[in-house]
Amino acid sequence: NAGVTQTPKFQVLKTGQSMTLQCAQDMNHNSMYWYRQDPGMGLRLIYYSASEGTTDKGEVPNGYNVSRLNKREFSLRLESAAPSQTSVYFCATYGLAGGTETQYFGPGTRLLVL
Amino acid sequence: KQEVTQIPAALSVPEGENLVLNCSFTDSAIYNLQWFRQDPGKGLTSLLLIQSSQREQTSGRLNASLDKSSGRSTLYIAASQPGDSATYLCAVRGSASKIIFGSGTRLSIRP
Repeated sequence: NAGVTQTPKFQVLKTGQSMTLQCAQDMNHNSMYWYRQDPGMGLRLIYYSASEGTTDKGEVPNGYNVSRLNKREFSLRLESAAPSQTSVYFCATYGLAGGTETQYFGPGTRLLVL
Repeated sequence: KQEVTQIPAALSVPEGENLVLNCSFTDSAIYNLQWFRQDPGKGLTSLLLIQSSQREQTSGRLNASLDKSSGRSTLYIAASQPGDSATYLCAVRGSASKIIFGSGTRLSIRP
């Protein structure tokens, strides 16, 4: 099992460019999340999806859009990147695995906006 | 609106000491609370999860408690070791599956 995978691992964008961060899971979990983590900070929730077909705003949704394509995939889109969006982006799922309920994280995508 | 606060932001203690990390939340209508560890430049590792109906959970030298009515959780680390140095994050899950993190406590254990 791959768990939670994210692509790309690293990306450099120029201000105004757009891009989509991809996230996929093979854990059959209903809930999926996108967070950003700035240096020395905790994780801030951008958007989440409690189940396939639903998405909701988190703490910092401005400048982002999401798509829950199916149960496995949850993508995050930056329509017009800004330097303030330079951050590490983590995708996560939530559910049961091995009898334990917990949140599972992908390896992260490092995004630099120039 | 749920807000999660962790105090202190940073903590440095000598090896062998017992220590307590604090997490507070503003909305007591939570489903569960989870503690994570994050090493520099790495992802998150789950340490303990406490359901809203539970008072505490233990794993080895770690003990997490939850007082839902007062909006507080503590993570107790016994006999600290240099390998415990990391950032510790708490995360609160509400009934609608929304999970909010605190800003973390950066812990340094001095040999």
